[in-house]
Amino acid sequence: GQQVMQIPQYQHVQEGEDFTTYCNSSTTLSNIQWYKQRPGGHPVFLIQLVKSGEVKKQKRLTFQFGEAKKNSSLHITATQTTDVGTYFCAGAQGGSEKLVFGKGTKLTVNP
Amino acid sequence: DVKVTQSSRYLVKRTGEKVFLECVQDMDHENMFWYRQDPGLGLRLIYFSYDVKMKEKGDIPEGYSVSREKKERFSLILESASTNQTSMYLCASSLVGSPINSPLHFGNGTRLTVT
Repeated sequence: GQQVMQIPQYQHVQEGEDFTTYCNSSTTLSNIQWYKQRPGGHPVFLIQLVKSGEVKKQKRLTFQFGEAKKNSSLHITATQTTDVGTYFCAGAQGGSEKLVFGKGTKLTVNP
Repeated sequence: DVKVTQSSRYLVKRTGEKVFLECVQDMDHENMFWYRQDPGLGLRLIYFSYDVKMKEKGDIPEGYSVSREKKERFSLILESASTNQTSMYLCASSLVGSPINSPLHFGNGTRLTVT
């Protein structure tokens, strides 16, 4: 079946360190969405990328969509304890009308 | 703000029971979805609906059915619950158009345990 691979599965950082999670697909994605799920909460939409090579920023978060539209990344600069949670990417492959979620990267931040 | 409400936060059912999970959204969204979330497996799409009385299979529809009689309500049905259906179930909605292009708004989830 369709798969969107997301790495790493877990990431532990000290507060103030940077963090990056990566999503990869074997086929071209129509778009990519990113979600954050706080512990005990539900996924909350962060952003959508559509264009090849697109870069978007939200304060300390930088989102990129690869030139070939097969990969994406989320980078957090100078993590804070409020960044704790699981980050998911979700994309649609090859004209599919279904979003496929990556398995998520669980971020923990040590104060 | 969009509100997606799932009827139960926790549910315990016995093997073989028929189980109904209800979801209501209050923002007139066209698209509604049911996902299940399991540790290490992420979110997997069970069914989705882009209009009243319309339904489409997701990636793991086996053992489930859905009903969308009204635009605001999307029900997930487990015809005969089994222990491997123990999971967190998340309902989501999105505004209109292609199901892949609109942000998903999730409910708080129903943690179902089948014993």
